[in-house]
This record gives sequence, C-alpha cells and structure tokens, in this order.
Amino acid sequence: KAGVTQTPRYLIKTRGQQVTLSCSPISGHRSVSWYQQTPGQGLQFLFEYFSETQRNKGNFPGRFSGRQFSNSRSEMNVSTLELGDSALYLCASSSGLAGTILDYEQYFGPGTRLTVT
Amino acid sequence: GEDVEQSLFLSVREGDSSVINCTYTDSSSTYLYWYKQEPGAGLQLLTYIFSNMDMKQDQRLTVLLNKKDKHLSLRIADTQTGDSAIYFCAEIRTDSWGKFQFGAGTQVVVTP
Repeated sequence: KAGVTQTPRYLIKTRGQQVTLSCSPISGHRSVSWYQQTPGQGLQFLFEYFSETQRNKGNFPGRFSGRQFSNSRSEMNVSTLELGDSALYLCASSSGLAGTILDYEQYFGPGTRLTVT
Repeated sequence: GEDVEQSLFLSVREGDSSVINCTYTDSSSTYLYWYKQEPGAGLQLLTYIFSNMDMKQDQRLTVLLNKKDKHLSLRIADTQTGDSAIYFCAEIRTDSWGKFQFGAGTQVVVTP
C-alpha cells in the first residue's frame, strides 16, 4: 500500500506570493491533517479535513486555507507569504472514523519544505 | 506553555536502553503516540497507547503510562545507531480528530 505523498518536496517563494501544497493520503483514508514544523514553534496543527469538510482548525491566520477533494486528496494554500512562513509542512492521513484502534493511526508524508525569501 | 512536554536531549551508548519521557494534558479519552523523525524526513509512527492501558510492548519498544502523574515513557532496548533521531510524543483527544498536540521532541544521540 502506498504511503502519504506530498508535492512538491521543496519550494522557494518570494514574500507576498502565494503557494499551494498538495497531499495524497493513503488509499482508503478519508481524513487529512496539516501541520507546520519550525525550529522555534515545533509542530503546530493547521487544520483537518474529512469528506471534503474542515472538521478541526488550529490557531493560524486566515492566510492559511485548505480544501479536500472527493478522492480525499487535499491542498493547502498560503496567501501573501511572510518570511515566518518558511517551514516544513507535513500532512498526515488516517481513516477519520471512530471505530477500532486502527482508525486512530495517523501516518505522515515526507513534507514540503517551503522557503520564503 | 505546551500541553505536551518532553526532555529535549538524550545521549545513550549503543547497546544500552534509552528512556524518553513525556507528560501530557488531562483527558479521559486520549490516545498517546510516539513518532520518530530522522533528518530531512517526515514523522514515522512507532507505537501508541490508549489512556486506559498501562503498558504496551512492541519488539524493542516498551511504552509505559502512568495515568496518575500523566506521564508517558518510551523505552528502546538495545539501542542502535539507527535509533539516532528526534522522538516526538503526541496526544490526540478522540473528540478532536486529527488535531495532534505534539511535544517539542527529544533529540536522541546514540554513541558507539
């Protein structure tokens, strides 16, 4: 079974631009979560999507948005990039259901390294 | 401050046991996870435990949970150089799906 894939792996953008990152979850998984990882703030939750609906949201400004498609693939968008948005963006997939303990396993992709100059 | 706290650094000799500690927030319905991150990589799920369990063993890994003190530990037996990485403790409440609260991570360095 293929793992979680993220594209692109590396990205360099200029302050003020916008960026879109993509995540394809494990086949059969319907929940996709996004995290930002920085040396100063660690791993911070951005948002979670399940069946094309945002189900949970972290404490990030409105410049950070996301969506999920009917095939469970998800994208996140950051508009008006700031230098502080430079980070590793990780997505994770899980079943999204509250059934057996296996439903609570969350698997991460390799991340997209975003550098804002 | 962070809801999940970990010690930041651990140095261990190859062949010895490593113990990584974590404290978490109060919740009666929680899953607690350990993830491993190697340089330039994403997070690898190692193991997890539900808050109504005391212990879980999986090959070289043993997770111990002290609910009274809200303390979680990960023991790695016979530590190898390939175990050098950052280890993250994470908590998820079953009423906040997908919203993991991560600790800051413990850098484990294995020396020959």
